[in-house]
Amino acid sequence: SQTIHQWPATLVQPVGSPLSLECTVEGTSNPNLYWYRQAAGRGLQLLFYSVGIGQISSEVPQNLSASRPQDRQFILSSKKLLLSDSGFYLCAWRADPDNQPQHFGDGTRLSIL
Amino acid sequence: AQSVSQHNHHVILSEAASLELGCNYSYGGTVNLFWYVQYPGQHLQLLLKYFSGDPLVKGIKGFEAEFIKSKFSFNLRKPSVQWSDTAEYFCAVNARAGGTSYGKLTFGQGTILTVHP
Repeated sequence: SQTIHQWPATLVQPVGSPLSLECTVEGTSNPNLYWYRQAAGRGLQLLFYSVGIGQISSEVPQNLSASRPQDRQFILSSKKLLLSDSGFYLCAWRADPDNQPQHFGDGTRLSIL
Repeated sequence: AQSVSQHNHHVILSEAASLELGCNYSYGGTVNLFWYVQYPGQHLQLLLKYFSGDPLVKGIKGFEAEFIKSKFSFNLRKPSVQWSDTAEYFCAVNARAGGTSYGKLTFGQGTILTVHP
């Protein structure tokens, strides 16, 4: 069966420091991959998605970037964190074709000090 | 851009009460619709989904939802809630605007359901 791993579970970083959050999927090939941010009292906001290695689409302008160096690996990064980057970050995967649901990881709670 | 609206931020019920959580979306084309649930301390899980066919869909744990295209709604229902249904519920929409949409989801704000024993 397919599983999705996301780490770290929690992270506390100072303003201006870099960021790297990692997500890996097991048990499937060529998944669509997604990064979401969940702010308190709001739903999930799609940040990036990827349909293949090296293919990244950004949904909102921001201080973050994403990369997909391998088929089942999705990384969320920042060179310099802002206070506004605090939040709960979720990675998700989905198999093609379109009529498939997304499956979510456990998330990373990011606090910026 | 499409949006998804969940009418209630926090719903408080007693066990055995009936539940209906509202979800409306703003997109006139073909949609895939989802309800996800997040139990305390757990990851987001799929509760049910609608892609096509019968507009009344049944999910896990006795939940169901009805797609009413004319009302742009996909309300979640359960006839008798249990304490274990305490969780946050999210409605999500995938707008299929011709070709592939890559499964991108737009989420509602979420509804926290608290069920008292």
